[in-house]
Amino acid sequence: NAGVTQTPKFRVLKTGQSMTLLCAQDMNHEYMYWYRQDPGMGLRLIHYSVGEGTTAKGEVPDGYNVSRLKKQNFLLGLESAAPSQTSVYFCASSFPGGFAFFGQGTRLTVV
Amino acid sequence: SQQGEEDPQALSIQEGENATMNCSYKTSINNLQWYRQNSGRGLVHLILIRSNEREKHSGRLRVTLDTSKKSSSLLITASRAADTASYFCATLDNYGQNFVFGPGTRLSVLP
Repeated sequence: NAGVTQTPKFRVLKTGQSMTLLCAQDMNHEYMYWYRQDPGMGLRLIHYSVGEGTTAKGEVPDGYNVSRLKKQNFLLGLESAAPSQTSVYFCASSFPGGFAFFGQGTRLTVV
Repeated sequence: SQQGEEDPQALSIQEGENATMNCSYKTSINNLQWYRQNSGRGLVHLILIRSNEREKHSGRLRVTLDTSKKSSSLLITASRAADTASYFCATLDNYGQNFVFGPGTRLSVLP
């Protein structure tokens, strides 16, 4: 039982490049989330999904897009990376009202 | 805006001592959750307390909830060096869909 798996674990991008972060969960959770974590700011919600085919904006959605074509996968896309998007990205999933299970994170640096 | 705010931001204690962290939140909740994050890792859930509960125990962890003051505390008894981590409280928004995390308390347990 792998839980929540994020791919890749590390990435360096040049400004303007695009990339997709993949999150996969094997717990049949309805809800999935993408957060970013910056020093001293805790976790901030980027986008979330409450079911296959649905997505919604969180606190800091600008510059990101998401898709949930399959229940087990939640993709986070950066269309044109900016240095301000340098961060650690965490994916999480949960049942409604339950605990969140987190992936191990993706450390992204935009130069 | 952040729902949960932990206090203190950082705490340093000796092994064997107790550690207390506090969390305040702003709106009504269904439950409040505490998570731990080891350096460079994803968050791991520790304990969930429902709004109709006042106290909950799990091993060396004791969580209290005061809904009248909109606050919770996490007590770790007989701390160990392995307890060194950041601790976050989280609440669910009114729709029960999104987790809102505070900035966390960094706990250092010195051997």
